[in-house]
Amino acid sequence: SQQGEEDPQALSIQEGENATMNCSYKTSINNLQWYRQNSGRGLVHLILIRSNEREKHSGRLRVTLDTSKKSSSLLITASRAADTASYFCATALLNFGNEKLTFGTGTRLTIIP
Amino acid sequence: GAVVSQHPSWVICKSGTSVKIECRSLDFQATTMFWYRQFPKQSLMLMATSNEGSKATYEQGVEKDKFLINHASLTLSTLTVTSAHPEDSSFYICSAWTLNTEAFFGQGTRLTVV
Repeated sequence: SQQGEEDPQALSIQEGENATMNCSYKTSINNLQWYRQNSGRGLVHLILIRSNEREKHSGRLRVTLDTSKKSSSLLITASRAADTASYFCATALLNFGNEKLTFGTGTRLTIIP
Repeated sequence: GAVVSQHPSWVICKSGTSVKIECRSLDFQATTMFWYRQFPKQSLMLMATSNEGSKATYEQGVEKDKFLINHASLTLSTLTVTSAHPEDSSFYICSAWTLNTEAFFGQGTRLTVV
């Protein structure tokens, strides 16, 4: 089952613009991670934010986490054609003997050159 | 980052046969490994979670007898699709992690059952 819902499902923007993707989840988490997947390939880890953190930056990426609303957002600034991919949030539960890493539905991002 | 090797990267098998997929963490010991399947243009669906030396925990709706998971060591987990049928054709991905870190993913295995 999916833990998270992402919106939008698909997003097309012009190169150079910023792209924002949102993720909502249902249960308590220990951390939330964002991944990128190019068509038909494996996943690339982008950023991990722990439940006691509110914002994190990595290069052109900015992630926020609001545990009270059970939501997170991923912002990609100054988008490039190479950013075209599917983006997934994944929520991590770390209860001993019951660890889970569950993915959201994903956002397909297309950057138009 | 850490490396997870998944093998084979693709496999075609006849209906009714079994297929084994291996997932190895090459440079770290994974306390937990996850197995996912992904249909085209969809997200990753968690199938099961396995901890070394113990039985795997399967998600609701995943048949334990069909998808056999063995986590023999801290660096190796295997998924065996038994008596495969065309509807089992999918992209299978394993993931290895240690507590409260990012998960490291294998390259995935594309299974086609004919």
